[in-house]
Amino acid sequence: EPEVTQTPSHQVTQMGQEVILRCVPISNHLYFYWYRQILGQKVEFLVSFYNNEISEKSEIFDDQFSVERPDGSNFTLKIRSTKLEDSAMYFCASIGPPYDQPQHFGDGTRLSIL
Amino acid sequence: RKEVEQDPGPFNVPEGATVAFNCTYSNSASQSFFWYRQDCRKEPKLLMSVYSSGNEDGRFTAQLNRASQYISLLIRDSKLSDSATYLCVVNRRTRHGSSNTGKLIFGQGTTLQVKP
Repeated sequence: EPEVTQTPSHQVTQMGQEVILRCVPISNHLYFYWYRQILGQKVEFLVSFYNNEISEKSEIFDDQFSVERPDGSNFTLKIRSTKLEDSAMYFCASIGPPYDQPQHFGDGTRLSIL
Repeated sequence: RKEVEQDPGPFNVPEGATVAFNCTYSNSASQSFFWYRQDCRKEPKLLMSVYSSGNEDGRFTAQLNRASQYISLLIRDSKLSDSATYLCVVNRRTRHGSSNTGKLIFGQGTTLQVKP
């Protein structure tokens, strides 16, 4: 079964540094998402992306965050100047066609800000 | 009020027990409903979609009541391997696409521990 893949599995970064999290969605999928989960908390939506533009973003997704689909396969999340509170698991997801199943999740990147 | 509310548990049950989880959602515009399972520090994995007519997948039965904005999950004959956090998830349609293309809104999760 096709999978969403994410790299790296664990990223350790100094506060204030830029970080790029990478995702390869399932190849024929057209909608892409980033979610995050702070330890002990619920999974939260960050942003959705379709047709090379952001479809929707949450209040969390401020000017420090950006997303890009630089080529036909990768979907990246950049955090420009990381803060301690950015430490979390970041999950990428993608969907369809067909759209009869919900989003497929990657196995996540654990981001640790020191 | 939280958009998706679940009892966090934990539910500690013996093997073979039947356990039920409940969830309520506040936004009547929600279109699609799911139960996901999450193991410790892993990604959410789809357990099953939830329909108003009710649906069953082996030992798992899910039910949706749109009028009450209430979703349930029943696990029969629980196994040690069912130990996990169960996430109630709703999805709203975006301006672009179908009901499954909108953002997923997660509950806090209900923790189940099945003991021998």
